[in-house]
Formats: sequence, C-alpha cells, structure tokens
Amino acid sequence: SYELTQPSSVSVSPGQTARITCSGDVLTKKYARWFQQKPGQAPVLVIYKDSERPSGIPERFSGSSSGTTVTLTISGAQVEDEADYYCYSAADNNLKVFGGGTKLTVL
Amino acid sequence: QVQLQESGPGLVKPSGTLSLTCAVSGGSISSTNWWSWVRQPPGKGLEWIGEIYHSGSTNYNPSLKSRVSISVDKSKNQFSLRLSSVTAADTAVYYCARLQPPILWGQGTLVTVSS
Repeated sequence: SYELTQPSSVSVSPGQTARITCSGDVLTKKYARWFQQKPGQAPVLVIYKDSERPSGIPERFSGSSSGTTVTLTISGAQVEDEADYYCYSAADNNLKVFGGGTKLTVL
Repeated sequence: QVQLQESGPGLVKPSGTLSLTCAVSGGSISSTNWWSWVRQPPGKGLEWIGEIYHSGSTNYNPSLKSRVSISVDKSKNQFSLRLSSVTAADTAVYYCARLQPPILWGQGTLVTVSS
C-alpha cells in the first residue's frame, strides 16, 4: 500500500527514551528517513537509510527497522527535542510518501 | 552552498490556479537530483506533491495528479508548480525541496485559497 502510519502523539519525561514508530508495506523494500519539524520551521533530516544519522545530529537519535515497521528512538529525550516527527519513504513507481506525523511532547 | 527559494502569489481565488516557482541558487538544477514540492496545511502534516528531474521527467502524488503540473526551466535554474481548480483545502505552506542527500528545503511560502 501507499501509506505510512504513525501514532499521532508520544509523550515522555526529560531523560526518558522516546520511541516513534512508522508502519507501511513499502518499508519491507525501501529505506525510511525521519524528519524533525519545529513550529514555523522547515523539516530537518535526523535519520536516513533507516538507521544512519547525518552529521550534526545528536547521538541520542537512532533508527531501526523490522519488517514493515521502522522506529525512531530518542535516548534521553531533551526538552529541545519536542517537535513533530515525520517518516518518509519511496513507494513503487517512484512515488514518495510521508507518514502522518507524530507530535513528541517532552515534559 | 545550494539554496532554494519559493516565490509566487500568497492568495489564490477558489477554482483558480496556484503557481509557484522555486529558484535554485549556488548550484545547477541539472545536477543529478530530483526536485520536489511538498505542502503542509495549517496545523497538519506534510504531503508530497510531486517531483521533477532536470530532463523533465515527473512523478506526482496520485491524489493530486489530475490537477498538478511541475516543470523545469534550466535556463533560469528554477522549477515550478501549477495546481489547478484549487479549493480552501489547498491552503497550505508550500515547500520546494531536494529530498535526496544532501537534503535541502526552501523556507516555505503560505498560499491561501480564498475569495
């Protein structure tokens, strides 16, 4: 199918581990990326190829994949990590898709 | 350093056509990249609209395919979006972007559909 499904919200206390999932059939064949978006700003890439971290992204951000689900993990979440997170992947026929987004609350 | 900048009308009338341009600076649009448009309605998530290669090849979101057209002007180093028959549901911040590494986004431009 041509959809990626994320939970609408995740809430953790500072210092706890936040896990955000993204599910979709395409994820068995295509890599996922994760974007972080703060209010009024353009998205920022935090994970690519399921688990690779771009330079400049803190080590507390990590990604993993299992079957039709990819997971973004923020180990020791900080207040500044509060944002919306979107998974993104390619589907068949060169189409692209974003997940619906997850609002991460850290308080 | 490559930068992207959207431009176009911030207000479009219902049933009209939304037209936006993305200027690519600091690099050539003819590099090996697909150039994309993404939109975000107020308070909602990101939606991939479509993409174009410098050769003119395109891919579109099936939900918008009947109304959308993306073109490239290599002489001006820019690419453009046209969305026809707009309604209030097309009100959004529209981003141009390069969604392949190194990822690059424009700052986004708000387009409101209203009479």
